[in-house]
Formats: sequence, structure tokens, C-alpha cells
Amino acid sequence: AQSVSQHNHHVILSEAASLELGCNYSYGGTVNLFWYVQYPGQHLQLLLKYFSGDPLVKGIKGFEAEFIKSKFSFNLRKPSVQWSDTAEYFCAVNAPRDDKIIFGKGTRLHILP
Amino acid sequence: KAGVTQTPRYLIKTRGQQVTLSCSPISGHRSVSWYQQTPGQGLQFLFEYFSETQRNKGNFPGRFSGRQFSNSRSEMNVSTLELGDSALYLCASSSLTRERDTGELFFGEGSRLTVL
Repeated sequence: AQSVSQHNHHVILSEAASLELGCNYSYGGTVNLFWYVQYPGQHLQLLLKYFSGDPLVKGIKGFEAEFIKSKFSFNLRKPSVQWSDTAEYFCAVNAPRDDKIIFGKGTRLHILP
Repeated sequence: KAGVTQTPRYLIKTRGQQVTLSCSPISGHRSVSWYQQTPGQGLQFLFEYFSETQRNKGNFPGRFSGRQFSNSRSEMNVSTLELGDSALYLCASSSLTRERDTGELFFGEGSRLTVL
């Protein structure tokens, strides 16, 4: 069965710091990978996704993620965070032709102004 | 284009009661998924419907059920409520085909259920 592991449950950074949130998945075959974000008081929305091709994926608001197949990882990065990046971030995975997307438990990111 | 609409937004029930939650997907979307969100557990997959058929189900007891109507609107039902069922229930729709070539879920704001 597929599963997703997010290593950090709660991260606190100062503005302008660099960010990397870890995500590992367990599934032996081809996967589609996602990062979703939930800003305070808002609904979940897609940040970026990887289906195939260039393993370095760029998303909205300066976020990017790198798919490393050998490590079963899809870490999220941002060179310089802003206070407005305070949110909860969820990594998710699904196998093509599967009908469910499995989410990690989330990482709560708090940016200090 | 209207987003995913979930009703009710908030509700309080007592143990043993049942609850029905409703979800209207984005117009044209035929796939609807349901998730349970709790602090520390993230989003746990409940089930997914496509064209009125349940295609996949998560590891929840039989007290959790759902259905989808011909207009793609979906409902989920929880019977014999337990305290541990208190959570935010999220509905998400997508324009997925059977090949799942897009993969993007559009979420509603959720129905927050409190069981006393």
C-alpha cells in the first residue's frame, strides 16, 4: 500500500531563511507526486505537482520540489521564505490509474516576521 | 466558476447519532473524493466516486458510507457516531478521467463535525 511520510511536523523559521520540507513515499512503481498548502482559514490548494519529465518542478509563490527516484523523495524547497508562507503543507502521492491520492500528515510552517 | 461547496460547514452531534454531509463539485467534475482531517493525522482517505460508482475506499469502518448522484453531487454518511469521529471532513473534486492524467484535487472548505 502507498504511504507518505513527512519528517517535520512543525517548523519555525525567520523571514528570508531557506526552507526544505522532507517527503518520502513508499510505492515501488511509477507515481504522481504533489504538494498542497493550506493557509490559515483557507481551503487546501495545489502548490505543485510532478507527473513525469524534469524532476525539478516549480510551483506557485517561488516554491519548487525535486523528485529523487532512488530516494523515494519529493522534498519541497524555497530559497527565502516570507511571513505569508505560514501555512500547513501536505505531500501527497498516487499511482497512475489508481483512484486515490494519499496524503502525508502535514508540516505546520510558522514564519516569524 | 464556482468552487467545491460543502454543507453544512459546522455541526454538533452526540454519540450514537448519525450525520449526512453534502458536497457539490465544480461544474463538469465527475470525480469526488472524501477525506477526514484531524490534527496530527493529516488527511485520511475515505472514498472516491466517479460517475456514481465508488472506485476506491480507505480503511474506515462500515459506519462511514457515501454515494454520488447523477449530477456528480456526493454525500457521505456516518452512523452511530463516536467521539473519535470529530474532525474536519473534506470533499475534493477533479476532472479526472480513468487515466488520471491531471491529478489536481480542488478542495472545499470542509464540514467540521463535533461529536459530544
